[in-house]
Amino acid sequence: KAGVTQTPRYLIKTRGQQVTLSCSPISGHRSVSWYQQTPGQGLQFLFEYFSETQRNKGNFPGRFSGRQFSNSRSEMNVSTLELGDSALYLCASSSDSNTQYFGPGTRLTVL
Amino acid sequence: ILNVEQSPQSLHVQEGDSTNFTCSFPSSNFYALHWYRWETAKSPEALFVMTLNGDEKKKGRISATLNTKEGYSYLYIKGSQPEDSATYLCAPDNDYKLSFGAGTTVTVRA
Repeated sequence: KAGVTQTPRYLIKTRGQQVTLSCSPISGHRSVSWYQQTPGQGLQFLFEYFSETQRNKGNFPGRFSGRQFSNSRSEMNVSTLELGDSALYLCASSSDSNTQYFGPGTRLTVL
Repeated sequence: ILNVEQSPQSLHVQEGDSTNFTCSFPSSNFYALHWYRWETAKSPEALFVMTLNGDEKKKGRISATLNTKEGYSYLYIKGSQPEDSATYLCAPDNDYKLSFGAGTTVTVRA
C-alpha cells in the first residue's frame, strides 16, 4: 500500500500571499489530520477531517482552513501568510482514528 | 489541547545501555496514548497506541507502560543501538485530536 503523500514538499511564499497544501491519505483511510511544527515547538494540531466533515479543530486563527474531498484527499489553505507561518506542515491519515500514519510533510517558508 | 510534558528533553546513551523516559498527561477524560519515533528527515513513525491502565506494549527492544490513573507513561529502550537515535514523542488522544509533547531526543553513541 502506498503511504501518505503530500505535495508540494517545499514551498516559498511571501507575506500576504495564500497557499494550498495537499495530502493524499493511505487508500481506505477516511480520517486526515493536519499538524504544524515550528522551530522550538512540538507538533501542533490544526484540524481533523473524516468523511468530508471537520470533526475537530485546534487553536489556530481563521486564516488556516481545510477541506476533505469524497476520495478522502485533503487540502489545507493558509491565507494572508505571515512570517510566523513558516513551518513544517504534516498530515496524517487513519482508518479508525487510532494509529495515525504521517506523510513526509511540506516545508513552507514565508519571506 | 492537553498539556503534555516529556522528560528529559534529551539524553545521550552509550551503545548497549538501556534507558527510559517519561510522558506526563492529564489523567481526566483519557482515551488513548500514542508513542511515535521521529528520525531526522523522516516522517513520525507510530510505535504504540495504549488504552488501558497497566497496559504494556513491546516492539523489539522498545517497550512502554501506561498509568492512566496518575497520568504517565514510560518508554524503555533496552540495549540501545545507534539506529535508536531519534526524537520520541508521546501524544494523548482526546476526541480525535492528538496533543503532542515536545519529545525526548535520544542520541546513542557508538
